[in-house]
Amino acid sequence: AQKITQTQPGMFVQEKEAVTLDCTYDTSDPSYGLFWYKQPSSGEMIFLIYQGSYDQQNATEGRYSLNFQKARKSANLVISASQLGDSAMYFCAMREVNTGGFKTIFGAGTRLFVKA
Amino acid sequence: EAGVAQSPRYKIIEKRQSVAFWCNPISGHATLYWYQQILGQGPKLLIQFQNNGVVDDSQLPKDRFSAERLKGVDSTLKIQPAKLEDSAVYLCASSPRTSGFLGEQYFGPGTRLTVT
Repeated sequence: AQKITQTQPGMFVQEKEAVTLDCTYDTSDPSYGLFWYKQPSSGEMIFLIYQGSYDQQNATEGRYSLNFQKARKSANLVISASQLGDSAMYFCAMREVNTGGFKTIFGAGTRLFVKA
Repeated sequence: EAGVAQSPRYKIIEKRQSVAFWCNPISGHATLYWYQQILGQGPKLLIQFQNNGVVDDSQLPKDRFSAERLKGVDSTLKIQPAKLEDSAVYLCASSPRTSGFLGEQYFGPGTRLTVT
């Protein structure tokens, strides 16, 4: 079963505007963590932001914020004031407990294009 | 602080040949991960080590893939024999945490494998 769903294969945004990248997840565990990573064309995965399932407030890190709606099982990434350097693949990931310990599962990703 | 190192960066082999990848995690990081990222997909966890013990290898094709982490530091991932569908980027990541959900992972640049 698909645990992490990113329904937008590609997104375009004008420079300096805000953009929301969607992520929905599926888990029956009450405790889990949600992450967003950025993967530029160089290929390296860069950690952006984290949200715990029990966190009361939405996580923010600079221009990144995570719109966490637990009842809907969604964890959308909001990038404010987009920059050309934000053009990259963005992956949503979930960390949950399995029999072997903690396991991280990634979505298929969304490619973001920032237009000048 | 030095990041996660991987070598080689690129490798081209013929099917049925063998190949090995090397990863040196960030100093002091207890947990090490190997991921396979096929073009257009998110990373898939192959194996997770905690120190020099295997925590999760449920998605490792054990008939052809093997991995070890001697002395709980650097790690090698081997494929023998390779198949065409093994063409992918192999990402190594490390984390300072051994448990908990805030397990942000620090990724290396990856090894791009092409099997012809």
